[in-house]
Amino acid sequence: DTGVSQNPRHKITKRGQNVTFRCDPISEHNRLYWYRQTLGQGPEFLTYFQNEAQLEKSRLLSDRFSAERPKGSFSTLEIQRTEQGDSAMYLCASSIDTASGNTIYFGEGSWLTVV
Amino acid sequence: GESVGLHLPTLSVQEGDNSIINCAYSNSASDYFIWYKQESGKGPQFIIDIRSNMDKRQGQRVTVLLNKTVKHLSLQIAATQPGDSAVYFCAENISPGGSYIPTFGRGTSLIVHP
Repeated sequence: DTGVSQNPRHKITKRGQNVTFRCDPISEHNRLYWYRQTLGQGPEFLTYFQNEAQLEKSRLLSDRFSAERPKGSFSTLEIQRTEQGDSAMYLCASSIDTASGNTIYFGEGSWLTVV
Repeated sequence: GESVGLHLPTLSVQEGDNSIINCAYSNSASDYFIWYKQESGKGPQFIIDIRSNMDKRQGQRVTVLLNKTVKHLSLQIAATQPGDSAVYFCAENISPGGSYIPTFGRGTSLIVHP
């Protein structure tokens, strides 16, 4: 396994359409994170899973956003009724607890453009 | 130097110089800090981390210093190379109940001139 994999890497959609992004974490990583990043800003936390349980959700995660990790492996992030303000890069990250720390590894991101 | 609006703080250095990138964090309860490097169009890449019970940690060509008194973190890059040009983020972790959720700042753009 070479790292966190995200797809699609780029998505252009019309306002009002639904989009779904997929994240495959590093094998055996029990924690999975979704972040959003806009131009000139740092990544902003959206939500976090430990195995299949969604343990934290940011206030940024409106009702139009839903994330799942049904089997504790890959995860999907769906955005319903997209708006132009949803245009951003959506980043997935994963980690595993160790005695020495919790290094979090990011994927290359999925770029969303809403037109 | 500093800029306003969408422009990131920028540090310009010559190849071979040492670079120091600074970061102020917000929460005195943060117990774990990470530096990431992000190249254009890519996801953040882990560089080095440090726990709050340490004040210095060294990696390959990089050193992180932590000053908890003033809530300040710095990343030192020795002998900076053009490939080091990127945006650098520090992230702080507050870990209630063991949930590590990195919180990122805006980042600093490092430009290395050959």
